[in-house]
Amino acid sequence: EVQLVESGGGLVQPGGSLRLSCAASGFTFSSYSMNWVRQAPGKGLEWVSYISSSSSTIYYADSVKGRFTISRDNAKNSLYLQMNSLRAEDTAVYYCARGGSGSSWGQGTLVTVSS
Amino acid sequence: AIRMTQSPSSFSASTGDRVTITCRASQGISSYLAWYQQKPGKAPKLLIYAASTLQSGVPSRFSGSGSGTDFTLTISCLQSEDFATYYCQQYYSYRLTFGGGTKVEIK
Repeated sequence: EVQLVESGGGLVQPGGSLRLSCAASGFTFSSYSMNWVRQAPGKGLEWVSYISSSSSTIYYADSVKGRFTISRDNAKNSLYLQMNSLRAEDTAVYYCARGGSGSSWGQGTLVTVSS
Repeated sequence: AIRMTQSPSSFSASTGDRVTITCRASQGISSYLAWYQQKPGKAPKLLIYAASTLQSGVPSRFSGSGSGTDFTLTISCLQSEDFATYYCQQYYSYRLTFGGGTKVEIK
């Protein structure tokens, strides 16, 4: 069974940092591109970042470029999102999703940026 | 960025109704379109990919059509478990974009 499990969310002050993780199982992680997608409370879905299967290609949404860094460790079947200089508007549930068509999503991890 | 416009943003329907949700892309995206269902507090669930291919395990009352810029999601006979929010999403570009969502409520 394909499974994606996010972790690392929590409450952080504005300007602070968090590192999210996404543990993958049930499929050949190294064969798939991955994405981070977020959803602010009561709002729609917003794509955050993309990483190719080999990490050779990376993209970011303009709203997080220069502050967030996506990475992966195919040996550990894990995806990461390092989030720095966090702002109130980054408050959201963060999901990892497999591939462009989002065939599998994790359950999400809540990031709250507040003083 | 490719903009995805969904309509309507919400509507009320009854069990057994046939419902249609539309999604328009700001530029041609071929058939690189997915539809998701999301219930409160849950992750989105993939229903359809490649505009019209039903994801494994999804009931056949769901169907998708379209290509280029105009797409539709149809639920042929609405069931109680179908009341949810639906999103379209393009993956023609690596910079994914989503429609604003359509909330289907009980009449």
